[in-house]
Amino acid sequence: GAGVSQSPSNKVTEKGKDVELRCDPISGHTALYWYRQSLGQGLEFLIYFQGNSAPDKSGLPSDRFSAERTGGSVSTLTIQRTQQEDSAVYLCASRGTGQGPQHFGDGTRLSIL
Amino acid sequence: RKEVEQDPGPFNVPEGATVAFNCTYSNSASQSFFWYRQDCRKEPKLLMSVYSSGNEDGRFTAQLNRASQYISLLIRDSKLSDSATYLCVVASNYQLIWGAGTKLIIKP
Repeated sequence: GAGVSQSPSNKVTEKGKDVELRCDPISGHTALYWYRQSLGQGLEFLIYFQGNSAPDKSGLPSDRFSAERTGGSVSTLTIQRTQQEDSAVYLCASRGTGQGPQHFGDGTRLSIL
Repeated sequence: RKEVEQDPGPFNVPEGATVAFNCTYSNSASQSFFWYRQDCRKEPKLLMSVYSSGNEDGRFTAQLNRASQYISLLIRDSKLSDSATYLCVVASNYQLIWGAGTKLIIKP
């Protein structure tokens, strides 16, 4: 597709379960970012991938959170043993080379019961 | 001091008015700048990049003031559909710092 694609668009799960969120960036974009956003709040940076470099994981809130990017394209964000405070919209963005802007997917709305 | 600061608002503005808001940044080495808009419960969408010489896109004008380290967004002839949160982004290489956004409400 032409844009960033995220799936699922909505996810409701019970506390303690693991969840996987997927991001398919714009073709050819080397940079991929994960953010989360709680209602009425700003974007919270989670993790950044750039090509084959080691990812910047400085924003991950706990060791329950991890992310992979396979083959420099699709990325998966995994949250283990989910907690209610993990409820938020998880946004993925990709960026081409140079100094261009980020382009966002529609996000995954995660609700932990 | 936050790396990127915006007045959270809300700015309540009558339809047809002109409104402007600023975004200040602390890293003088910042290289690129953007304005996004975000509607309630939606993802941020790129509104415009901000160029050193300033740039205009229809009713929207963006300016960069490197000396004072801020960018601005001016909206002329505001429409009801301009109601949204406007976020600025300041980038240094791969690192992008997002402002928390300014909420704009256009009233009929």
